[in-house]
Amino acid sequence: AQSVAQPEDQVNVAEGNPLTVKCTYSVSGNPYLFWYVQYPNRGLQFLLKYITGDNLVKGSYGFEAEFNKSQTSFHLKKPSALVSDSALYFCAVDFNKFYFGSGTKLNVKP
Amino acid sequence: NAGVTQTPKFRILKIGQSMTLQCTQDMNHNYMYWYRQDPGMGLKLIYYSVGAGITDKGEVPNGYNVSRSTTEDFPLRLELAAPSQTSVYFCASTDQGGNQPQHFGDGTRLSIL
Repeated sequence: AQSVAQPEDQVNVAEGNPLTVKCTYSVSGNPYLFWYVQYPNRGLQFLLKYITGDNLVKGSYGFEAEFNKSQTSFHLKKPSALVSDSALYFCAVDFNKFYFGSGTKLNVKP
Repeated sequence: NAGVTQTPKFRILKIGQSMTLQCTQDMNHNYMYWYRQDPGMGLKLIYYSVGAGITDKGEVPNGYNVSRSTTEDFPLRLELAAPSQTSVYFCASTDQGGNQPQHFGDGTRLSIL
């Protein structure tokens, strides 16, 4: 069965430090991979996607994600976190249907 | 551009009541989706549609119904509200299936008491 896992419910990081939000997937094929961000009382907003090609994908607000086929991972990264990055982050896989992870709450402290 | 618009934003229902959650998009997208978001559970797909007149069940369709008479609108119907349907409901759309990101509305927060 297809699935997406975000192993961390919460990630805490100090402002200015690098951040990583983890995502692993389990699909039998080559999926399309996405990251979304959700701010309080809002819908999900698209950050970036991996379809094919370069394993490092750059997206909105300085975020990037690294696709690793051997580890079936698609971790979200940012070199220098901002307090305004604090939000809920969702990884998603599109393999005929969309499958969302359970979300990771990112807390960036001043 | 309005994007995906959901109404109402909040609603409280009594057990057994019915209601329709409205969703409309102005991007001429063929694909539309309904999700529910429960705390700590991510999003679960309720129903989806690949075009006007075509709908299909998602992961958690029981207790819900949908229709898609136009490209723009994709209402979600709850016939007999139950406490287990207390959740935040999101509508989304995309231009096509496959590698395109979904565009989300801001959600409807529904409480059933």
